[in-house]
Amino acid sequence: DIQMTQSPSSLSASVGDRVTITCRASQGIRNYLAWFQQKPGKAPKSLIYAASSLQSGVPSRFSGSGSGTDFTLTISSLHPEDFATYYCQQYNSHPITFGQGTRLEIK
Amino acid sequence: QVQLVQSGAEMKKPGASLKVSCKASGYSFTNYFMHWVRQAPGQGLEWMGVINPSGGSTTYAQKFQGRVTMTRDTSTSTVYMELSSLRSEDTAVYYCLSHYNWFDPWGQGTLVTVSS
Repeated sequence: DIQMTQSPSSLSASVGDRVTITCRASQGIRNYLAWFQQKPGKAPKSLIYAASSLQSGVPSRFSGSGSGTDFTLTISSLHPEDFATYYCQQYNSHPITFGQGTRLEIK
Repeated sequence: QVQLVQSGAEMKKPGASLKVSCKASGYSFTNYFMHWVRQAPGQGLEWMGVINPSGGSTTYAQKFQGRVTMTRDTSTSTVYMELSSLRSEDTAVYYCLSHYNWFDPWGQGTLVTVSS
């Protein structure tokens, strides 16, 4: 199975900050990488697919990059509604696997 | 409006079986694979498997092989996930999610509690 490792596991930041979350795959996954945002008590929401393609309706302050084994999710300027948990997911091969999550908290 | 609506919360005893439904609407049901993912309390996301609603073929995570069965009913645009021999560690929120728009939409989740 492909292991997905996110860093950091948690992050404190302020409104307006630029934040970057990293996701590393244990083997190459081309660009078959997605990012999700989850708020407490809610289903995850798709943000990015194919490593860098923004889902319809997702604000442009979110961006993704990377290929192979190393990927990043960047939020250019944090809004209050962005404080949530973020997960990366590889879909290059079965079983599909997720990172352990990054909890983004208000400083 | 594209959406997935799941069945309601369930309480089960250890050893029992569970069947969760996920009804799709707003898109062509048979054209997009449907996945199941679960999330234990306070934990991350765990992929369980996927079904092709067109032909019914399935792929399961090895962890659930022998205990999980995914089926579909094309007449009602509904997929089902059955999990047998339940144990306390199966307590989780279970989600269906469509590949309609690259792992979007997700169902609202079904809380399953396994307790004696």
